[in-house]
Amino acid sequence: EADIYQTPRYLVIGTGKKITLECSQTMGHDKMYWYQQDPGMELHLIHYSYGVNSTEKGDLSSESTVSRIRTEHFPLTLESARPSHTSQYLCATGGQSGLGQGFLDSGNTIYFGEGSWLTVV
Amino acid sequence: SQQGEEDPQALSIQEGENATMNCSYKTSINNLQWYRQNSGRGLVHLILIRSNEREKHSGRLRVTLDTSKKSSSLLITASRAADTASYFCAMDTGRRALTFGSGTRLQVQP
Repeated sequence: EADIYQTPRYLVIGTGKKITLECSQTMGHDKMYWYQQDPGMELHLIHYSYGVNSTEKGDLSSESTVSRIRTEHFPLTLESARPSHTSQYLCATGGQSGLGQGFLDSGNTIYFGEGSWLTVV
Repeated sequence: SQQGEEDPQALSIQEGENATMNCSYKTSINNLQWYRQNSGRGLVHLILIRSNEREKHSGRLRVTLDTSKKSSSLLITASRAADTASYFCAMDTGRRALTFGSGTRLQVQP
C-alpha cells in the first residue's frame, strides 16, 4: 500500500488568500494526481504528473497550479482563493516505483490520501 | 457524468442482505476498478477487472463486466453495517488518469 499524506486536512480561509495544499508519498510512485470532489459528488481530475518536472491539467478546469520538483511531493496552490474553490481535494499516486526495491508497479491501481477539505469564506 | 454513471445513486438495505451497484460507461476500457469511500475520507481500491474478464471475486465482493454493453456491476454479499460507504467505479481507458463514475451511496442498517 502507498502511504500518502495530505495536509492540512481541514482549512477555512478568507477570500483572496493564497493557500497551498501539500501532498507527499513514500512509495516513490512516478504518477501523482489531484482530484476535486464536492460532497456526495463524483471526482474530477484537475492536475496530474507523470514524473519530476512533468505537470498537466486535467479534465476539469481549475485556477489552481501544481508543481513536481521532487518525486515525493505534489503541492497544489491557489493564489487567490474564492468561495467557489470550496471543495474536497484528493491527492493520489500510482504507476511505477523507483525506490530501489526492484521493479514495482501499482498495476493501474491508484492510492488516495485522506483528502483536504477547503472552505473559503 | 464525464465518463460513468452509477445506479442507483443511493441504496439502503438491512444487514445480511446483498447490495448490487451498477456502472455504465461510454468508451473502450483497458480495465474497470471499484473504489470505496467512507464519509469525508479518501478512496480505497477494492477490486480490478480487466477488459477480457467477465467476472471476478474477492471475499464478499463479486464484480462482473460486460464490455458489449459497457457496463459493470458490484455485488456485496451478506452486507454489514461497516459496508456503509460510497462506492465508485473507475474506468482505465489508457488515457492520462482514471475517470470515476458518479457513485452509489450505500447505507446498511444494523
